[in-house]
Amino acid sequence: DGGITQSPKYLFRKEGQNVTLSCEQNLNHDAMYWYRQDPGQGLRLIYYSQIVNDFQKGDIAEVYSVSREKKESFPLTVTSAQKNPTAFYLCASTTGEGYGYTFGSGTRLTVV
Amino acid sequence: QKEVEQDPGPLSVPEGAIVSLNCTYSNSAFQYFMWYRQYSRKGPELLMYTYSSGNKEDGRFTAQVDKSSKYISLFIRDSQPSDSATYLCAIGNNDMRFGAGTRLTVKP
Repeated sequence: DGGITQSPKYLFRKEGQNVTLSCEQNLNHDAMYWYRQDPGQGLRLIYYSQIVNDFQKGDIAEVYSVSREKKESFPLTVTSAQKNPTAFYLCASTTGEGYGYTFGSGTRLTVV
Repeated sequence: QKEVEQDPGPLSVPEGAIVSLNCTYSNSAFQYFMWYRQYSRKGPELLMYTYSSGNKEDGRFTAQVDKSSKYISLFIRDSQPSDSATYLCAIGNNDMRFGAGTRLTVKP
C-alpha cells in the first residue's frame, strides 16, 4: 500500500540534543512538507520541498533543518537551539499544486 | 491577522444533527480549498477539496466556498458518533495554510 511513514511515533529528547525525524513516502509524490502542530494553533509550516535537492523555508523554519537527497525521503532535524520543541510533527506529500495532501501518522516529540 | 481563521470550538451536537464548520481567509489570491479530518493522535486525512465558488457534495458532506466573502464551510448531515474528530480547513496555492481546527463531538 502506498503512503507516508513517519518514525519514530514517540521521541524523547534531552535538552541540548539534536534529533532527526524520519519521513518516507512511496507515493511517487514530488512535493513534501513538514508541519508542527500545537494545541489550539493548527498546523504551522516548517519547510517544504517541491523537487529533490531543493527546499524552502516555511513560517517557523528557524532552528530546524531538512534535506531532500531522494524523492522518497524528507528528514527533519530539530536542533538543540529550539527552545520549545515539544509538539506533534506531521509530514505530508502531494503530487502537485491544488491536490490534497497525504499525511503521515505523526511523531510526538517531547523534551525531557 | 491570521491568513486563515477557524473557530476552535469545541462543538458538541447530538447524533443526527446537521453540523456547520466554517473558516475565513484573508488572501483573495488563494485558489484551493480543502477540509481535513483528524482523529486524536493521528495525521489529518483529506475529506473534500475544491477550487471554485459554490457547493460540492460527497455523501453526507458538503463543502461550500464563497470567494467574494472569503468564507468556506463544511456541512455534515446526519452526524454520527464516528464523525467526532477535529476538522481542519486548508486554503492556499502552492503551500496550504491551515486553520486551527474545530473539535467536534457527536453524542449518541
